[in-house]
Amino acid sequence: DVKVTQSSRYLVKRTGEKVFLECVQDMDHENMFWYRQDPGLGLRLIYFSYDVKMKEKGDIPEGYSVSREKKERFSLILESASTNQTSMYLCASSSPGSGTSWYFGPGTRLTVL
Amino acid sequence: QQQVKQSPQSLIVQKGGISIINCAYENTAFDYFPWYQQFPGKGPALLIAIRPDVSEKKEGRFTISFNKSAKQFSLHIMDSQPGDSATYFCASANEISSGSARQLTFGSGTQLTVLP
Repeated sequence: DVKVTQSSRYLVKRTGEKVFLECVQDMDHENMFWYRQDPGLGLRLIYFSYDVKMKEKGDIPEGYSVSREKKERFSLILESASTNQTSMYLCASSSPGSGTSWYFGPGTRLTVL
Repeated sequence: QQQVKQSPQSLIVQKGGISIINCAYENTAFDYFPWYQQFPGKGPALLIAIRPDVSEKKEGRFTISFNKSAKQFSLHIMDSQPGDSATYFCASANEISSGSARQLTFGSGTQLTVLP
């Protein structure tokens, strides 16, 4: 059974803290993605990576950075957390090629106080 | 700029009824159109998908209708059941300019409630 796991289901941080969200996939997928999900806005792409050490900005990269040192692991970093970054964060992975599926993790509910 | 517009935002249907969710897209580079289903506390999971070279795809009670000229597609859930109550997202995929990956753009989601 394919699996995308995220390090935390719930996280509470204070404004200004540095926050790390980790994602691991066991499908040997080249592509990995970070989305944030907010009510009424759907899922918005923050960053993605199509290879180890490669990263590309998505639609809303401001305030975030990412790291991909190993193929199976993709980390999202909030350098200085702010209250407007309170959200559900979803990691996904996929293999290259058209018609392929994106597999999502269960999400991390981040609250920034 | 929202490239994939989804409606309605919420939908309440009686058990056994038909649920219909609509999406419209703008980018003609989109070439793959999946629908995702999300239950509370879970990540989205692929439900059904279609390519633009066909006008309809059916899998069990779920059907996608696709109108390429209108740049619209819809999800029909026949004989809706309480267990179908979830959030549904349409999405559209395209190759990113670098050619190394594909990007998935989501609609805003529809909260479906099927009453028993």
